[in-house]
Amino acid sequence: AQSVAQPEDQVKVAEGNPLTVKCTYSVSGNPYLFWYVQYPNRGLQFLLKYITGDNLVKGSYGFEAEFNKSQTSFHLKKPSALVSDSALYFCAVRDKGYQKVTFGTGTKLQVIP
Amino acid sequence: GAVVSQHPSRVICKSGTSVKIECRSLDFQATTMFWYRQFPKQSLMLMATSNEGSKATYEQGVEKDKFLINHASLTLSTLTVTSAHPEDSSFYICSARDPKGGDNEQYFGPGTRLTVT
Repeated sequence: AQSVAQPEDQVKVAEGNPLTVKCTYSVSGNPYLFWYVQYPNRGLQFLLKYITGDNLVKGSYGFEAEFNKSQTSFHLKKPSALVSDSALYFCAVRDKGYQKVTFGTGTKLQVIP
Repeated sequence: GAVVSQHPSRVICKSGTSVKIECRSLDFQATTMFWYRQFPKQSLMLMATSNEGSKATYEQGVEKDKFLINHASLTLSTLTVTSAHPEDSSFYICSARDPKGGDNEQYFGPGTRLTVT
């Protein structure tokens, strides 16, 4: 079975400060890892994905995520937060051999002006 | 990037009636579509995987006779909530996989807010 944990329900950060949204995962094989963002009453927008290669993945809107195999983590980061980054962020995982994607419970990011 | 639409965006229906939600991939052919349900302040729960031309695969605990899924073409999947009840009120989101790949695994629709009164 595969699972994703997002330990923080909410993260608050001041505008201009770096942000981190945490994610840990569990899969039986090699993981495909994703980050999505959701704005109120909207569907999910893809931010970035890790399959293989460099552990640091760069995505949309200046976001990046670092894959750490030993810690089974895939934390989302951004060097300088914007108020417009305030949204709900979901981490997701898929075992390479399966079609189903499992989502974490989401982390609400609030960037304070 | 690829676009997935959902219709309607919002629907209010009376208890006991049925509601159909459409999910369309607008600029690619999706052999596989997924239906999710999202409760307020909660994650997405996969309801079923829909493959074109075959029966949908439902997740454990999802009633297939209540949530009818039809994937009749490579660009359209429908979810019909039959005999809806207030507890079926939720945000329903579909996604579609572009078999040509790319970075994104699934393209999500904007969601449908269902309210059953």
